[in-house]
Amino acid sequence: GQQLNQSPQSMFIQEGEDVSMNCTSSSIFNTWLWYKQDPGEGPVLLIALYKAGELTSNGRLTAQFGITRKDSFLNISASIPSDVGIYFCAGLGGSNYKLTFGKGTLLTVNP
Amino acid sequence: DAGITQSPRHKVTETGTPVTLRCHQTENHRYMYWYRQDPGHGLRLIHYSYGVKDTDKGEVSDGYSVSRSKTEDFLLTLESATSSQTSVYFCAISGSELAGSHNEQFFGPGTRLTVL
Repeated sequence: GQQLNQSPQSMFIQEGEDVSMNCTSSSIFNTWLWYKQDPGEGPVLLIALYKAGELTSNGRLTAQFGITRKDSFLNISASIPSDVGIYFCAGLGGSNYKLTFGKGTLLTVNP
Repeated sequence: DAGITQSPRHKVTETGTPVTLRCHQTENHRYMYWYRQDPGHGLRLIHYSYGVKDTDKGEVSDGYSVSRSKTEDFLLTLESATSSQTSVYFCAISGSELAGSHNEQFFGPGTRLTVL
């Protein structure tokens, strides 16, 4: 089946720093989604990308749909303590509606 | 919020007992999904539904069954629970009538199941 490689697995940063994480695949995806999960809660959708090359922002978050359709990245600018959590990428390929998830990036922000 | 609730939120049961988890949505989304989340494996799809009484298997469906008798409810049943089914279970929905959001999945708060 399709697989997503998400990196890095974890990050430890200082408050105010910028963060970048990415997902790559050997398969083409038509949709890329980025989620954040806080402890004890379900994943929350942050950004959805539908076109190759698309760059979309949501506050301090910016995500891009790679031009090859096989990758996507998420940037967080000027990190704050509440950015702590696990960030997941997810891709949708073909005509089905089943997402393939990356294994997540654990972000820790030191105040 | 996408109007998704899961019940129970926590459950401890014994090996061999049947368990049913419920997902309820108030958004009239067409598609519903059950995932399990385990350390080192991320989110894995168990079963999904693409309409009332229409369901199909995901990548880790062995030992699980589902039913969807109405749009708003999707039930996940473990006929005879095993310790390997100890996990956090998430329901998700998608298929809004809003343009451009068909593929976006929204997750419930999760059910933490422990099988002793």
